[in-house]
Amino acid sequence: GAGVSQSPRYKVAKRGQDVALRCDPISGHVSLFWYQQALGQGPEFLTYFQNEAQLDKSGLPSDRFFAERPEGSVSTLKIQRTQQEDSAVYLCASSLVGGRSYEQYFGPGTRLTVT
Amino acid sequence: RKEVEQDPGPFNVPEGATVAFNCTYSNSASQSFFWYRQDCRKEPKLLMSVYSSGNEDGRFTAQLNRASQYISLLIRDSKLSDSATYLCVVNPTDRGSTLGRLYFGRGTQLTVWP
Repeated sequence: GAGVSQSPRYKVAKRGQDVALRCDPISGHVSLFWYQQALGQGPEFLTYFQNEAQLDKSGLPSDRFFAERPEGSVSTLKIQRTQQEDSAVYLCASSLVGGRSYEQYFGPGTRLTVT
Repeated sequence: RKEVEQDPGPFNVPEGATVAFNCTYSNSASQSFFWYRQDCRKEPKLLMSVYSSGNEDGRFTAQLNRASQYISLLIRDSKLSDSATYLCVVNPTDRGSTLGRLYFGRGTQLTVWP
């Protein structure tokens, strides 16, 4: 079956540009997570949705980062006025229900390079 | 201090070798533990959960020591296809934690050579 998909797979942005990254979770999955993975590091949590509700955004590094999931399915992570330190792979994961018993399935990620 | 600490390696071992990875975690309220595998430029994928009594899946054995807040992964009879980065992952379940939020170590890189 279809897994988590993300688009674009690669994005090059000039410093100061706005970008929007899309995540299509597995159909029926209630929980959706965004993670940021810098080179040589493990993924770091950014934000969490349960259906359309954003229950935790404590990992967003600044107010330039904004995420939404208006209909409880597709999610978009937006970064305004991109900076070089935003260069990373942005991973989206979904799970059937939020909770420790449920495996998170990751998308292939969007590799963002800010020049 | 990071929630999960891991030796980044790299570990370079010949085929057939046994290799062990370790990690430590800081939140004693953590209840769920995992090892994920990440191939180069790919997404992380669940390798196995780690249970209190220890568990085995084929050539892979995971152990948990709650008293020391220490998790290990043992790979026996290494194959070329085991070459990847292995991520130690913790899911705290104390009151202040988001259910399902995962904390990753930085990963340990393994290369198995012929």
